[in-house]
Amino acid sequence: EVQVVESGGNLVQPGESLRLSCVASGFIFSDYNMHWVRQAPGKGLEWVSHLNGGSNDIQYAGSVAGRFTISRDNAKNSLYLHMTSLRVEDTAVYFCARDLRDNYSIDHWGQGTLVTVSS
Amino acid sequence: DIVMTQTPISSPVTPGQPASISCRSSESLVHSDGNTYLSWLQQRPGQPPRLLIYKTSKRFSGVPDRFSGSGVGTDFTLEISRVEAEDVGVYYCMQATQFPWTFGQGTKVEI
Repeated sequence: EVQVVESGGNLVQPGESLRLSCVASGFIFSDYNMHWVRQAPGKGLEWVSHLNGGSNDIQYAGSVAGRFTISRDNAKNSLYLHMTSLRVEDTAVYFCARDLRDNYSIDHWGQGTLVTVSS
Repeated sequence: DIVMTQTPISSPVTPGQPASISCRSSESLVHSDGNTYLSWLQQRPGQPPRLLIYKTSKRFSGVPDRFSGSGVGTDFTLEISRVEAEDVGVYYCMQATQFPWTFGQGTKVEI
């Protein structure tokens, strides 16, 4: 069974940093592109970042570019999101999600981890 | 960035009746490879999103055949042939033709 499980969400103050982790199981992790998608409380979905299996194709939403860094460790079946200079508007549930191979979509989502940025 | 606009924002439905959601993109979603990467996702209350349709009209594994997708260029539709109680939730269209991937604002389907 395909599973992705996020962790690392927390309450932080504006300007602080945080690293989210996602552990995958049930599939060959290195064969799949991965994404982070977020959802502010009571709001819609916002795509955040993409990383391909070989870590040589990285994409970011404009709202996080220059502040967030996506990375992966295929040996550990893990995806990461390092977030710096956090803002109140970064408050959201962050979902780790698997790419639908060769079809440009997302087929599996984690339950999400909550990041709250507040003073 | 490509802007995705869904209508309606909210859709009261009656079990057993059809329902339809529209999604319009600010530019064509036809990729240079000839495919159109428009997906539909369902998010039930308290749950992560779930993929229903990808590449405009392809039903994802395990999705009931009462869900269907159609469209071309900039105009797309998700149809539910006969709504069931379990279909309550928020539906999103998503374009993946061009980074950044973008979502519609969501359509709340309620009975």
